[in-house]
Amino acid sequence: DTAVSQTPKYLVTQMGNDKSIKCEQNLGHDTMYWYKQDSKKFLKIMFSYNNKELIINETVPNRFSPKSPDKAHLNLHINSLELGDSAVYFCASSPPGSGGGQYFGPGTRLLVL
Amino acid sequence: GDSVTQMEGPVTLSEEAFLTINCTYTATGYPSLFWYVQYPGEGLQLLLKATKADDKGSNKGFEATYRKETTSFHLEKGSVQVSDSAVYFCALGTGGGADGLTFGKGTHLIIQP
Repeated sequence: DTAVSQTPKYLVTQMGNDKSIKCEQNLGHDTMYWYKQDSKKFLKIMFSYNNKELIINETVPNRFSPKSPDKAHLNLHINSLELGDSAVYFCASSPPGSGGGQYFGPGTRLLVL
Repeated sequence: GDSVTQMEGPVTLSEEAFLTINCTYTATGYPSLFWYVQYPGEGLQLLLKATKADDKGSNKGFEATYRKETTSFHLEKGSVQVSDSAVYFCALGTGGGADGLTFGKGTHLIIQP
């Protein structure tokens, strides 16, 4: 069984469209995250959700909105897509405490044309 | 704020060579430290971790020791294989786990037969 899964794996869309990326974890973790990896492979935290509560939001445009229907899911909705949104988006989850590390999904490769 | 600095690549080695990838960090408090590996087209996998000073993390022949006095967490392997070719990320975590990880920029490792 896949621990952290994301759909879709690839997403190609036009500028101005609205899209969603889904994430599910079956590890029973309380905290889930979204990261953005740019073309130079740099990873940056976007959001963190702990027990369905938003914990951090690192200067991400409000076109991005995380939605967590339950503890096992954290979806990312993006409005009015821009060229600069093209990147790989990773979902992750972690157990309580900072020592356990985070478990990452396979990534969603978003290309905005 | 927290930051991680690691040597940027690409680093090119011959098979069976000794590997060192340097990583230093700046953090308030006492972070946990991690190495992640990303194979081409895949997500990040936790390679090893250390949660306090002088801890040594190890996995698949890779090792790293948490050095508080030099704020470092260098990754080493005695004899690399072609299959070790990937991008390696050093990261730190603080704040009890709900915060995201702070990543270095990644080091692209290329192992030639």
